[in-house]
Amino acid sequence: QVQLQESGPGLVKPSETLSLTCTVSIGSISNYYWSWIRQPPGKGLEWIGYIFRTGSTNYNPSLKGRVSISLDTSKTQFSLKLNSVIAADTAIYYCARYVGGGWNYFDHWGQGTLVTVSS
Amino acid sequence: EIVLTQSPGTLSLSPGERATLSCRASQSVTKDFLVWYQQKPGQAPRLLIYGASSRAAGIPDRFSGSGSGTDFTLTISRLEPEDFAVYYCQQSGTLALTFGGGTKVEMK
Repeated sequence: QVQLQESGPGLVKPSETLSLTCTVSIGSISNYYWSWIRQPPGKGLEWIGYIFRTGSTNYNPSLKGRVSISLDTSKTQFSLKLNSVIAADTAIYYCARYVGGGWNYFDHWGQGTLVTVSS
Repeated sequence: EIVLTQSPGTLSLSPGERATLSCRASQSVTKDFLVWYQQKPGQAPRLLIYGASSRAAGIPDRFSGSGSGTDFTLTISRLEPEDFAVYYCQQSGTLALTFGGGTKVEMK
C-alpha cells in the first residue's frame, strides 16, 4: 500500500518561501506523476502541479512563476517550493500520486499539512 | 482552463435516499477524463470514480458516475451514514487540472 507523508514548517512569513517535502513509502518513484494540491481552510481543492520521474513538470498557470516541484528518487521524496507567499497561500497542502497515461486521477494522498502565512 | 461548476452546493437528504450530484464543465472534457472524489472532515480526498463512470477499487456499487462532454453526474443510489461528506469533481483532459467547488451532502 502506497503511503505519502508531508513534512515542513507550519508557519511561513509573508514574502518568504514555503517549502514542503513529501516522503513516499514505496521502493521507487516510477511511472507515476507526483503532485501537490492545496485547500484553503473551509474551501475547495486547487491543483498546484506535478512532476514525473524524468523531472518533467507541469504547473497550475495561476501559480506559475512562484512554484517549483523537484524530485529526489534516491530518497523517494518530492518537494514543493512556493515563493513570495501571501496570506491567501494559507491552506492545507496535500501531496498525492497522479496516475497518468490513460485514466488520469489522484489515487493516493497524504494526510495533508496546514501551512499558515502570517507575520 | 476548464471551469467545473458543481450543483447543488448543498444537498440535504436522509439515509436510504438517492443523491444526484451534478458537475458541468465550461468546455468539453477530453476523453471523459472526469473524476469524482469524496472528502470527509479532517481527511484527504478519496478517489471514487474515474473516466466518468469507472469505480475505483473498493468503492461500493451504490456509487455510480455518468455523463460525457460537459455534463457529468455522480449518483449514490441509497445513502449510507458514512456517505455524508463533500464530493468534488476534477477534470484531467487538459494540462491545467481543475477541480469543481464541491457539493456537500448533509444529513437531513
